[in-house]
Amino acid sequence: GENVEQHPSTLSVQEGDSAVIKCTYSDSASNYFPWYKQELGKRPQLIIDIRSNVGEKKDQRIAVTLNKTAKHFSLHITETQPEDSAVYFCAVGRSNFGNEKLTFGTGTRLTIIP
Amino acid sequence: EAQVTQNPRYLITVTGKKLTVTCSQNMNHEYMSWYRQDPGLGLRQIYYSMNVEVTDKGDVPEGYKVSRKEKRNFPLILESPSPNQTSLYFCASSQTGGAPGELFFGEGSRLTVL
Repeated sequence: GENVEQHPSTLSVQEGDSAVIKCTYSDSASNYFPWYKQELGKRPQLIIDIRSNVGEKKDQRIAVTLNKTAKHFSLHITETQPEDSAVYFCAVGRSNFGNEKLTFGTGTRLTIIP
Repeated sequence: EAQVTQNPRYLITVTGKKLTVTCSQNMNHEYMSWYRQDPGLGLRQIYYSMNVEVTDKGDVPEGYKVSRKEKRNFPLILESPSPNQTSLYFCASSQTGGAPGELFFGEGSRLTVL
């Protein structure tokens, strides 16, 4: 099955700086890459996703980049703010399956230092 | 309001005492699943259901049962709980259609087995 590795497990950045979280995967057939944010005590929520027909996708201060050759993708958060503090999970899936084949990474706890 | 509702939110029980965690969604989603979240291990899928009366094992099904008698409900049953099932549990739902997409999570159920 799919193997997803996520790094780092914890990350602290100064408010206003950028944060980058990286995930690698093993199955070259994977082509769906979402990111979920889980605030303290809350449920995970989708913040952005990318499918392998594009290399980058942006939504305001967040972006995801994909390198299919190297089998890794990254979440970029620019101009970080205190409300960005949360645990972030990457996930990997395949378009010929539904969410039953979605595999999550182990999570990154991001702390924004005021 | 579109939502996934889990109950109970918090539960402390003892080894061997059967319990059920309920999950209900009001979005008419076909797909529902259960995850457990443990520190350093991310979100791991326990069971999933593609539709009514269709369920299948995820990555960590041992010690759990599920049923899907109605489209909106997907209860998780622990017939004989053990301490290693102490965890944070999330129910999730989504549309199907043959491709992965946004998962909508419940608020989580924190279970402690003594």
